[in-house]
Amino acid sequence: NAGVTQTPKFRILKIGQSMTLQCTQDMNHNYMYWYRQDPGMGLKLIYYSVGAGITDKGEVPNGYNVSRSTTEDFPLRLELAAPSQTSVYFCASSPSSGQGEEKLFFGSGTQLSVL
Amino acid sequence: EDQVTQSPEALRLQEGESSSLNCSYTVSGLRGLFWYRQDPGKGPEFLFTLYSAGEEKEKERLKATLTKKESFLHITAPKPEDSATYLCAVPVEDSSYKLIFGSGTRLLVRP
Repeated sequence: NAGVTQTPKFRILKIGQSMTLQCTQDMNHNYMYWYRQDPGMGLKLIYYSVGAGITDKGEVPNGYNVSRSTTEDFPLRLELAAPSQTSVYFCASSPSSGQGEEKLFFGSGTQLSVL
Repeated sequence: EDQVTQSPEALRLQEGESSSLNCSYTVSGLRGLFWYRQDPGKGPEFLFTLYSAGEEKEKERLKATLTKKESFLHITAPKPEDSATYLCAVPVEDSSYKLIFGSGTRLLVRP
């Protein structure tokens, strides 16, 4: 049971570089999310998607972009990396049908440092 | 503004020493409160969902309760393997699938 898989686990970027964080899930969940977690802070929602072809901004979308071409994949793109984007990034999915229990299934995270 | 506040930030317990973690929220029209456990270097793992004041749920040594303003996670006779960060979250007022997370309580249980 793979669940939500994120790659890479660790990455160091130089300021101004670009990269894509990969996320894939094998549970056929419609809803997918990207969160970032800074030390001692709660998770902040970056972007989310309610289905293939549909994405929307969360609390902290600046500096990021997403796409959702398939149900399984939800990559997060950083175009011009900045030190403020140093964080741990979590991808999550949920089977939400709007009927109540929006339980999230999380990946194991990507630790990103921008130097 | 929707807010979730957790206390204490950190808690150290001796094995067997029971205690409670607090999660207070300001979202009106609560449509669920979620508890997650997060181990170092891993993503959060779902524990409980509570929907209405007075509701309780249990799992092993953990029991979650809910009032109109806050939720408690009671830990009875904890063991070292209960050491983790415990996060609570609520849906924002205008969405059922966007969650606001508290900053968590880091629990350390010493043998």
